[in-house]
Order: sequence, then structure tokens, then C-alpha cells
Amino acid sequence: KQEVTQIPAALSVPEGENLVLNCSFTDSAIYNLQWFRQDPGKGLTSLLLIQSSQREQTSGRLNASLDKSSGRSTLYIAASQPGDSATYLCAVQTGANNLFFGTGTRLTVIP
Amino acid sequence: EPEVTQTPSHQVTQMGQEVILRCVPISNHLYFYWYRQILGQKVEFLVSFYNNEISEKSEIFDDQFSVERPDGSNFTLKIRSTKLEDSAMYFCASGGQIDQPQHFGDGTRLSIL
Repeated sequence: KQEVTQIPAALSVPEGENLVLNCSFTDSAIYNLQWFRQDPGKGLTSLLLIQSSQREQTSGRLNASLDKSSGRSTLYIAASQPGDSATYLCAVQTGANNLFFGTGTRLTVIP
Repeated sequence: EPEVTQTPSHQVTQMGQEVILRCVPISNHLYFYWYRQILGQKVEFLVSFYNNEISEKSEIFDDQFSVERPDGSNFTLKIRSTKLEDSAMYFCASGGQIDQPQHFGDGTRLSIL
């Protein structure tokens, strides 16, 4: 069964810093990998989706990479802002078309 | 931008009662999903729905659960006889194609007393 792990569980950085969030998964037979943002008490906002054939995707200050063979993905956030404070979730989609989620990294950006 | 909407935002129900959670997916999407998140735990897949039938379900989705797309716009999750352990946030999601992002609603917080 697919297991998704995210490290660190929580991260606190001063505003302006660049940071990296890590995601690993046990079964490399994935369809794609998606990064989400979750604000407290809210739903999940899709940030980036990387197809299994791709190596990275970029959106604004966010860059996600995928190394399918080693079962790893990273989310790079450049020039962090207090508004980036949220929980970041990665999820892998298997051929069964459901998503397996990690436990998330809770990010706090200190002004 | 189109979004997935869920109602109600919070539902409080006595144990043993039936609940129906409602979702309006994005209008041109073809794939529909329900997930749940117990407080402090991972988001877990419940069921996926395509072409008017269940395409995949998890072991959580037992005989107490059912889904329906009654009118071409709504997508519902019914829990027939709720248990205390059904208390969770329930998220609906929809996707245009199987390899496109899934878009989530804000969820329904279900509290079973």
C-alpha cells in the first residue's frame, strides 16, 4: 500500500527566507503528484501538479520537483511571506485514481 | 474561477441517525471524489465516481456509505447509521480528466454526538 511521508512536520522561518518542504512515497508507480495548501478549517487548494513523466513544475514563487524513481518530491518556496503560513500537503495519485496524502508540513512565516 | 461548493459547512447529528452531505462539483468535470480527515490525521480517500458509477472505493467506504449524483449537478454522500467515529471533516473534490488536478471544496465538518 502507498505510504506518503512529509518532513518536517512543522517549520518556522523568518519572512523572506527560501525554504524546502519534502515529500516521499513508497511506491513509485504513480500517475502524478499534487501539492496542496490547507488553511485552518478550510479545504485544500491545489498548488501544483506534476505528471509522472515530468521533473518539475513552477508557479510564481513555488517550484515543485519530482524524482519518481527515488520516490521523492520537494516544494521550494522562494522569498517566503506571512501569507504563506499554512499546512502544505503532498498527495500521489495511483492508477486507481484516488489520492494518497501525506500528514503535511505546518509552515509558519514570521514577519 | 469555478469552485466546488459543499453544504452544510457543519452538521451535528445524533449517533445512529442518517446524514446526507452535499456537493456541487465544477460544472464540466467528470470525476468526483469524497475524502475525509479525522482531526489531526491524514486526508483519506473514500470513493471516486465516474460515468454515474463508483470507480474505486476504500475499505472505509463500507455498506453504511453511499454516493449519488441525483440530478447532474449535485453529488451526495450518505451515511445511513452514523457512529461516533464518523466524526470528521468530509471533503468533496472534482476533476476534469484523470490526469488533471483535483479541486476540493471547503468541507463539511460532521460531528456525531
